[in-house]
Amino acid sequence: GAVVSQHPSRVICKSGTSVKIECRSLDFQATTMFWYRQFPKQSLMLMATSNEGSKATYEQGVEKDKFLINHASLTLSTLTVTSAHPEDSSFYICSARDTSGGAGTDTQYFGPGTRLTVL
Amino acid sequence: SQQGEEDPQALSIQEGENATMNCSYKTSINNLQWYRQNSGRGLVHLILIRSNEREKHSGRLRVTLDTSKKSSSLLITASRAADTASYFCATSGSARQLTFGSGTQLTVLP
Repeated sequence: GAVVSQHPSRVICKSGTSVKIECRSLDFQATTMFWYRQFPKQSLMLMATSNEGSKATYEQGVEKDKFLINHASLTLSTLTVTSAHPEDSSFYICSARDTSGGAGTDTQYFGPGTRLTVL
Repeated sequence: SQQGEEDPQALSIQEGENATMNCSYKTSINNLQWYRQNSGRGLVHLILIRSNEREKHSGRLRVTLDTSKKSSSLLITASRAADTASYFCATSGSARQLTFGSGTQLTVLP
């Protein structure tokens, strides 16, 4: 099946620094990728939709200047958490949509997630 | 936004028993998908059912969809300890984004 990778898998940083997380679709092209965050024992909350070659679409309440998204190629999207603070500590998961199966499938494949801890 | 509710929130069964999880949603959908997540890991896609389908099977998994009631169920038959995980339903609508349910934590006791 389709594989999506994320890097790094775990990062610890000091408050005020910026952290970049990469999301790659390894064996398919993804014009659309999604970024989610998940707090402990909770469900995934969509943060933004990343579109190749255009600006990302952010969900209500998500600061676009704090969570910078770049989708520079059909296989790579990056999420940069700028000036991170302890409340940004969370599990960040990306997904990539594989539409090669035709209309109505919209299967999303998820990366393994990145655990961010801000001290 | 969170639109799906799942029940039960937690389910504990013995190995070999069947596990049933339910998901309800609020808006019209193109398809509904079920995912599994082991603790601290990413999501694994289990099965997708289209809005014009009523039932689908994949191995030990059986998914039903009732669009009139806006609900779906996931049945895992002959459960194994390795099935222990959180299970999420996710709906895809006209915006083609996934909206996740609240999840069910399944524990299968050996």
